[in-house]
Amino acid sequence: AQSVSQHNHHVILSEAASLELGCNYSYGGTVNLFWYVQYPGQHLQLLLKYFSGDPLVKGIKGFEAEFIKSKFSFNLRKPSVQWSDTAEYFCAVKTNSGYSTLTFGKGTMLLVSP
Amino acid sequence: EPEVTQTPSHQVTQMGQEVILRCVPISNHLYFYWYRQILGQKVEFLVSFYNNEISEKSEIFDDQFSVERPDGSNFTLKIRSTKLEDSAMYFCASTAGVSGYEQYFGPGTRLTVT
Repeated sequence: AQSVSQHNHHVILSEAASLELGCNYSYGGTVNLFWYVQYPGQHLQLLLKYFSGDPLVKGIKGFEAEFIKSKFSFNLRKPSVQWSDTAEYFCAVKTNSGYSTLTFGKGTMLLVSP
Repeated sequence: EPEVTQTPSHQVTQMGQEVILRCVPISNHLYFYWYRQILGQKVEFLVSFYNNEISEKSEIFDDQFSVERPDGSNFTLKIRSTKLEDSAMYFCASTAGVSGYEQYFGPGTRLTVT
């Protein structure tokens, strides 16, 4: 069965700092990859997704992620974070077998101080 | 933009009681899911539903759980006899297809079992 690892459970940054959140997955076949964000008190929202093609994907709010197949990674980046980026970030994997449920990582809580 | 809705937003129940959590998926979606998130833990898959039957379920989804699509719009999760450990946020999600489609999540129902 596939699994997703997010190495940083808590990240604290100052505004304007650059962000990189790590995500690694374990699955030998074709995957679709997602980053979801959960702002305080709100539901999961899709930040960006990778299905195929260009491994560098751009999402909403200035976020991007790079799929590196050889490293089984899909790290999330943002060059300059804002206070409003304070949220929990979840990496998720969907395989192309079965009915394609999402397997989530444990999440990374990002706190951006003004 | 269409969205997934869930009711109630918060449900408090006593141990041993039955609860029904309701979801209205996006209208042209065909695949429906329930996930849960115990406080401080990752989002976990419970069950997927397609064509009026369960297509996949996790080991969490035991005989105490059931799902139903009683009409053309609602998708429900029933817990027959709640346990303390059922306390969690329950998210409903829907998608138009399994390959190349993202899942849209509802705002969640916080279930508290006392």
